[in-house]
Amino acid sequence: AQKVTQAQTEISVVEKEDVTLDCVYETRDTTYYLFWYKQPPSGELVFLIRRNSFDEQNEISGRYSWNFQKSTSSFNFTITASQVVDSAVYFCALSEETSGSRLTFGEGTQLTVNP
Amino acid sequence: DGGITQSPKYLFRKEGQNVTLSCEQNLNHDAMYWYRQDPGQGLRLIYYSQIVNDFQKGDIAEGYSVSREKKESFPLTVTSAQKNPTAFYLCASSIQPTSGPLVGQFFGPGTRLTVL
Repeated sequence: AQKVTQAQTEISVVEKEDVTLDCVYETRDTTYYLFWYKQPPSGELVFLIRRNSFDEQNEISGRYSWNFQKSTSSFNFTITASQVVDSAVYFCALSEETSGSRLTFGEGTQLTVNP
Repeated sequence: DGGITQSPKYLFRKEGQNVTLSCEQNLNHDAMYWYRQDPGQGLRLIYYSQIVNDFQKGDIAEGYSVSREKKESFPLTVTSAQKNPTAFYLCASSIQPTSGPLVGQFFGPGTRLTVL
């Protein structure tokens, strides 16, 4: 069965600090997809990134970067030079090829960036 | 503009009443989903539909019902059998690829249901 664990329930940082959100997953499939979503206070989930299991290259998008390591079943998300607008709940999610487009979400990490 | 619409944003109902939450998408997506989110928790899948006139139970389907008569619409009914219906409900949709990479789900703005 697929499972996603986000061990950090809440993180609080001061603006301009770097912060890493951890995500560990479990799956029996060899083909799977990993996602990160951001949920601001408004409630809507915003798609950030998708990674497939065959692509372990790290990705950088502006202040955001993702570290995918199959050896440790982790897909961590780092925000560099955090800003107050980054305050939100961040969800990691997994979809196995055999389950179609169905997603399993982690519990989420509440990030608070203080000025 | 393409997107997913959920209405209303806030909904209040008396205990024992059924209530239907709407979800409409104009993205031409095949698959649609309903999630429930409780405070401080992740999203849990209620029902999903991969094609018109077909749907499957998710992890917490008890007390809920859905229909998928049109590709664009996937309404969710919260019945009186749902023991604790007060929650934030999110609808999502996605392309259902027959091959190639999975694109991921796109979400609506959500409906916050409060049962008094």
